[in-house]
Amino acid sequence: SQQGEEDPQALSIQEGENATMNCSYKTSINNLQWYRQNSGRGLVHLILIRSNEREKHSGRLRVTLDTSKKSSSLLITASRAADTASYFCATDRSGGSNYKLTFGKGTLLTVNP
Amino acid sequence: GAVVSQHPSRVICKSGTSVKIECRSLDFQATTMFWYRQFPKQSLMLMATSNEGSKATYEQGVEKDKFLINHASLTLSTLTVTSAHPEDSSFYICSARDWRGGGYTFGSGTRLTVV
Repeated sequence: SQQGEEDPQALSIQEGENATMNCSYKTSINNLQWYRQNSGRGLVHLILIRSNEREKHSGRLRVTLDTSKKSSSLLITASRAADTASYFCATDRSGGSNYKLTFGKGTLLTVNP
Repeated sequence: GAVVSQHPSRVICKSGTSVKIECRSLDFQATTMFWYRQFPKQSLMLMATSNEGSKATYEQGVEKDKFLINHASLTLSTLTVTSAHPEDSSFYICSARDWRGGGYTFGSGTRLTVV
């Protein structure tokens, strides 16, 4: 079953603008990850934030995590046309030998040149 | 970095035939591999988790006799879609988890079209 719910489902912005995508989830997690998928391709891991972290940065990416609200956000600053892709959050509830990554519905980001 | 190779990238088969998809971890050992299915413009749905040397664990609603998973070695898992039907047409993606506790690495996916 789907764990995460992203919003918005689709986002269209101009190059240079910032893009913010949100993700909500329902159960406790060990970490939350964000992935990018270009059309018809595999997934590329962007960033992982652990349950005891509140904010993390990687280049133009900024991720926040609020475990009390069970939500996360991904901010892409100074967007480029090449950032056009679908972005998914995924929650990791791994415990012991039981590993499982559950994906949200994704946000389709279009960056217009 | 960790690389997962998935093959084939595209396959077209006739109804009633079986198709095998391979997922290989190229530079790490993966005790656990995962198979996902993705419909157009939708998210990834976990189908099953395979552990090396043991039976796969299927998610609710996934037919184990239709989607056969074999994880015979620490670097290879296969998904066989048996007696394929047009409704099995989809994008299938595998991922692998490094046994040393690394993250999840995804293959590039297989586009299956059953005609």
